[in-house]
Amino acid sequence: QKEVEQNSGPLSVPEGAIASLNCTYSDRVSQSFFWYRQYSGKSPELIMSIYSNGDKEDGRFTAQLNKASQYVSLLIRDSQPSDSATYLCAVNKATNNNDMRFGAGTRLTVKP
Amino acid sequence: DGGITQSPKYLFRKEGQNVTLSCEQNLNHDAMYWYRQDPGQGLRLIYYSQIVNDFQKGDIAEGYSVSREKKESFPLTVTSAQKNPTAFYLCASSLTGTNEKLFFGSGTQLSVL
Repeated sequence: QKEVEQNSGPLSVPEGAIASLNCTYSDRVSQSFFWYRQYSGKSPELIMSIYSNGDKEDGRFTAQLNKASQYVSLLIRDSQPSDSATYLCAVNKATNNNDMRFGAGTRLTVKP
Repeated sequence: DGGITQSPKYLFRKEGQNVTLSCEQNLNHDAMYWYRQDPGQGLRLIYYSQIVNDFQKGDIAEGYSVSREKKESFPLTVTSAQKNPTAFYLCASSLTGTNEKLFFGSGTQLSVL
């Protein structure tokens, strides 16, 4: 079992729809969770971070964390073609601050 | 502007050759990291350094070496022992550790001739 699992996609949504990206992790003691966006051939950039159960909203983005289910998600409202990218889920273990594990990423395409 | 600079953008390695990827940051960050990304895969940690003159192996350190002689610089050498070096290499930094945001460089694409 991979430590951080994401559906590789591609996930395709029409412009203006809600895109839902999901991530599960295996280490129950994980404490910090991040979503990065990566355009093709570019480096990742942080979209959201979340540390406690529940929802965290930032503009069109909402991160959701459920530690009991070991599940973290990212919702993108009013999806735009510029949101088309690969979204990487990253999970940081509590036992080692430098042990950040990345999922393989979900490729999102927003069609005009 | 503050940031992380990686060079070169593209690098080609001949059989049996060692090559060095440069990473420089002017963010005054203590921690620096090297990740490898293969197509369709997530980032895998090669090495990280929390302070000058100290670094630790990540999951896939074999065939790689690093140094941290200055806070600003964390070069990665891909040695001839790394038999499958073709990948996208990303350098990152954070203020103290990875409970915080990672700042990434623009990456180096390494290919084998």
